[in-house]
Amino acid sequence: GEDVEQSLFLSVREGDSSVINCTYTDSSSTYLYWYKQEPGAGLQLLTYIFSNMDMKQDQRLTVLLNKKDKHLSLRIADTQTGDSAIYFCAESLYSSASKIIFGSGTRLSIRP
Amino acid sequence: DSGVTQTPKHLITATGQRVTLRCSPRSGDLSVYWYQQSLDQGLQFLIQYYNGEERAKGNILERFSAQQFPDLHSELNLSSLELGDSALYFCASSKFDAGLAGLTGELFFGEGSRLTVL
Repeated sequence: GEDVEQSLFLSVREGDSSVINCTYTDSSSTYLYWYKQEPGAGLQLLTYIFSNMDMKQDQRLTVLLNKKDKHLSLRIADTQTGDSAIYFCAESLYSSASKIIFGSGTRLSIRP
Repeated sequence: DSGVTQTPKHLITATGQRVTLRCSPRSGDLSVYWYQQSLDQGLQFLIQYYNGEERAKGNILERFSAQQFPDLHSELNLSSLELGDSALYFCASSKFDAGLAGLTGELFFGEGSRLTVL
């Protein structure tokens, strides 16, 4: 089946690390993505990982993929107020019905 | 600015009515995707077109239909509107087909059309 699940909310203190988690069900996923949605805007790609990788690092962002457990996480180091947004996990399914499926999004709020 | 243009930005209408949402993809992008974002359902995939042809369908109601025109712009038609259709409707585009979009790893999203059904 096709389903991507995330927790709805996360609150962290400014300067701490944020870890946003995601689980997916379809083992045929080829790419997994993290998108960011700022207030009043569309989604923007933050980073992505190919399904045969375990980890990808990009400046303050670290993506970890556990393919056995179908678990994806996004770690944001030194979280800043500008990181406040909704973060969406998504998977690309290369099957007979090619789709990109998004989770419900995790709203990250930063407290001083 | 993602390069994807959606109109109108806001739309208020009554139950039972019909509306059309329009999307112009980024220059050079052949694929258009429609998503519905509501508070209780998250971001739901509706439908995808590639170079004028329907390629994938998600949770799109029979009251909804879409098409992609030869100039690659797309329209999403919502009819017999119900209160529950109130949502933010996003269009996204990519150069390649969905399965191959993974090669570029990116969908480019418009700012959305907010539909309110009263």
